[in-house]
Amino acid sequence: DGGITQSPKYLFRKEGQNVTLSCEQNLNHDAMYWYRQDPGQGLRLIYYSQIVNDFQKGDIAEGYSVSREKKESFPLTVTSAQKNPTAFYLCASRVGDRLTGELFFGEGSRLTVL
Amino acid sequence: EDQVTQSPEALRLQEGESSSLNCSYTVSGLRGLFWYRQDPGKGPEFLFTLYSAGEEKEKERLKATLTKKESFLHITAPKPEDSATYLCAVHTDKLIFGTGTRLQVFP
Repeated sequence: DGGITQSPKYLFRKEGQNVTLSCEQNLNHDAMYWYRQDPGQGLRLIYYSQIVNDFQKGDIAEGYSVSREKKESFPLTVTSAQKNPTAFYLCASRVGDRLTGELFFGEGSRLTVL
Repeated sequence: EDQVTQSPEALRLQEGESSSLNCSYTVSGLRGLFWYRQDPGKGPEFLFTLYSAGEEKEKERLKATLTKKESFLHITAPKPEDSATYLCAVHTDKLIFGTGTRLQVFP
């Protein structure tokens, strides 16, 4: 079945450690996104990529990094510079052209910093 | 500043009790408004796209409408399986998400 696979679903991290969240899609979508979701807040954009080997910062990129070496893959690294990394992280890809907000989301990864 | 506000934050309904969720927005240059459903611990699932005032979309017990300032998600005769958080998002030069309405439908 076509879709977006995020892993791991749950991740615990000690302060000062970098962690990488995986996002793989087999939908043949060009554009991919990383969002962060916190209680009481709307989804906030971390990074996005519209094409392989190119990506742009979103609204809250500080403390995060990404790569887009393959069309299918868009991993997110949460670095030790991110001050408040505990959150629910969502990967998405876009259906259609750049003028639409129709996104296809993965199941999410919940990161907890101990 | 572009803003999207959803109300109420939470809504409890008896099965069969119809109601509406609201998404109001102040943005410049609306390109589209989108509704999503999110189950606990899952990613959002796309429901509807609305592009212009007066437009309506329906899917089973859900009907989305759009005016120049707000959108409504009407739920007719809801069932417990409609329980979820409903998110709206507005597309201007970027996509802005509201904080969602958490709907609980009791049998």
